[in-house]
Amino acid sequence: DAGITQSPRYKITETGRQVTLMCHQTWSHSYMFWYRQDLGHGLRLIYYSAAADITDKGEVPDGYVVSRSKTENFPLTLESATRSQTSVYFCASSESGLGGLNEQFFGPGTRLTVL
Amino acid sequence: GENVEQHPSTLSVQEGDSAVIKCTYSDSASNYFPWYKQELGKRPQLIIDIRSNVGEKKDQRIAVTLNKTAKHFSLHITETQPEDSAVYFCAASRNFGNEKLTFGTGTRLTIIP
Repeated sequence: DAGITQSPRYKITETGRQVTLMCHQTWSHSYMFWYRQDLGHGLRLIYYSAAADITDKGEVPDGYVVSRSKTENFPLTLESATRSQTSVYFCASSESGLGGLNEQFFGPGTRLTVL
Repeated sequence: GENVEQHPSTLSVQEGDSAVIKCTYSDSASNYFPWYKQELGKRPQLIIDIRSNVGEKKDQRIAVTLNKTAKHFSLHITETQPEDSAVYFCAASRNFGNEKLTFGTGTRLTIIP
């Protein structure tokens, strides 16, 4: 969907470098999420945000930092990349509120390789 | 926290046959169970979901059933077609999906022509 975008789509970096993955959505969805996808593990939640300036840890938050100063943006930073962080990263967003739409809309993904 | 187990990890069926994928969850407070389909190289997309106040939901060739007592739910695909080949993920959430989802590890479904 054009409403949620990720950049870059592909990134190669070296161990120890800082990397920031960007996520932008145009729907004004309250909730945004970051997942990593690895073979055999499915989709694992790294961090999520219920609104601007509200973030919370997911299942695998170690080594990652997030911020959400604006509703539409939710960047994910790897402060000192490690090889174990080689993965495909998906950002997602959804509306909030009981009775509201629950579907999470995923971005196209970023394939990150840490050498 | 919630734990979702999904079986089988791979499934091959003849075109036209039915496919069933099963998931179990651990948190009795979970009340929203979506299924996502991910085609090769693409993003996951919601195909069907069910809330805990419903036992079954159908949408054309796909259906989901929920057994709250046993804490398991299943995806059924009938009259399978080549375009059904993909990885399918189940998930569970509290608060009718207005919170984080916990995903299963995925099932790679292959439809044999």
